[in-house]
Amino acid sequence: DAKTTQPPSMDCAEGRAANLPCNHSTISGNEYVYWYRQIHSQGPQYIIHGLKNNETNEMASLIITEDRKSSTLILPHATLRDTAVYYCIVREQGAQKLVFGQGTRLTINP
Amino acid sequence: DAGITQSPRHKVTETGTPVTLRCHQTENHRYMYWYRQDPGHGLRLIHYSYGVKDTDKGEVSDGYSVSRSKTEDFLLTLESATSSQTSVYFCAINMLDGGELFFGEGSRLTVL
Repeated sequence: DAKTTQPPSMDCAEGRAANLPCNHSTISGNEYVYWYRQIHSQGPQYIIHGLKNNETNEMASLIITEDRKSSTLILPHATLRDTAVYYCIVREQGAQKLVFGQGTRLTINP
Repeated sequence: DAGITQSPRHKVTETGTPVTLRCHQTENHRYMYWYRQDPGHGLRLIHYSYGVKDTDKGEVSDGYSVSRSKTEDFLLTLESATSSQTSVYFCAINMLDGGELFFGEGSRLTVL
């Protein structure tokens, strides 16, 4: 699986947009970018995924660069409940393994 | 709620004893997974299953075995627990090929 690189931690003010970067320079053409988050000791929660185009859902937006070597997860109006560890993962289409890295610990400050 | 139940949620046992963790789903999902999570290592895949009696190893499968005799249950067994297997274990399910995973609430295992 392609590796991803994320900053270990980030801070963001409540109400502001949180932009979480992820580098995946060795991603191949059929690999998707997935984002999950884990709040405290709960099970990880799926957020969003994409292949080439930017994606948006009720939780977040995913911006993937044209060369697909990096992406950014955007939480448009961060709240205190968004404090969590965010994982960026690349996964081959049809592959069943999902390999997690260390993630980014995002802290939303009041 | 994806209908995943893990049991037990907490267990303390002694080195050398067998332990079985159960993951039960009510959604008839084909794919099921066992992960462990430790400080400094994030989530690591132990084993996964792609159907009844069909399983495969993940990245940290040594010391663990799994069984899936029916669609709804995926069992993780530690034949002889060691202190290094103290961890939080998460089960996950995935119905669609390439779809997102839904995780259970975790089972905290302490091996003394």
